[in-house]
Amino acid sequence: GQQLNQSPQSMFIQEGEDVSMNCTSSSIFNTWLWYKQDPGEGPVLLIALYKAGELTSNGRLTAQFGITRKDSFLNISASIPSDVGIYFCAGGPYNTDKLIFGTGTRLQVFP
Amino acid sequence: SQTIHQWPATLVQPVGSPLSLECTVEGTSNPNLYWYRQAAGRGLQLLFYSVGIGQISSEVPQNLSASRPQDRQFILSSKKLLLSDSGFYLCAFTEAFFGQGTRLTVV
Repeated sequence: GQQLNQSPQSMFIQEGEDVSMNCTSSSIFNTWLWYKQDPGEGPVLLIALYKAGELTSNGRLTAQFGITRKDSFLNISASIPSDVGIYFCAGGPYNTDKLIFGTGTRLQVFP
Repeated sequence: SQTIHQWPATLVQPVGSPLSLECTVEGTSNPNLYWYRQAAGRGLQLLFYSVGIGQISSEVPQNLSASRPQDRQFILSSKKLLLSDSGFYLCAFTEAFFGQGTRLTVV
């Protein structure tokens, strides 16, 4: 079945640093989504991408839908302590309403 | 506004006991509904999805079943829980709205 490779698995950074994580797929996706999950809670949608090449920002977050439709990245600028959590990418294959999730990137921010 | 409710938040059940987790949505009609399971430190695995009342698609063979008795209600069930059913279960509608999750521990 389709799989998403998300990297890095974890990141330990200092407050104020920029963060970059990405996802790659073995096949083409119609949509790319990025979520943040806090411990014990459901994921919260951060950014949704629907077109190849699309670059979208949400505050300090920026995500891009790769031109090949097989990858996406998420950048967080000037990290702050509340950015701590697990970030998931998810891809939506063509002709389906189902999503495939990456394995997550655990972000720790130190003051 | 659209909201999703999932309960209970935590559940400890003995092996062999039945299970019923409920999810309801508000502020929308005929939503696509999903049940996911998340193992500790892992991504989300799609278990079931439903495009309408009585319409259930199962994604993986397992000890669980799902039902959609009403347009905005989605239920995850098991007749006899296994230890391997432990995990964090999440209900969602569309791609944007996830419930708060149910932490199930089978002992």
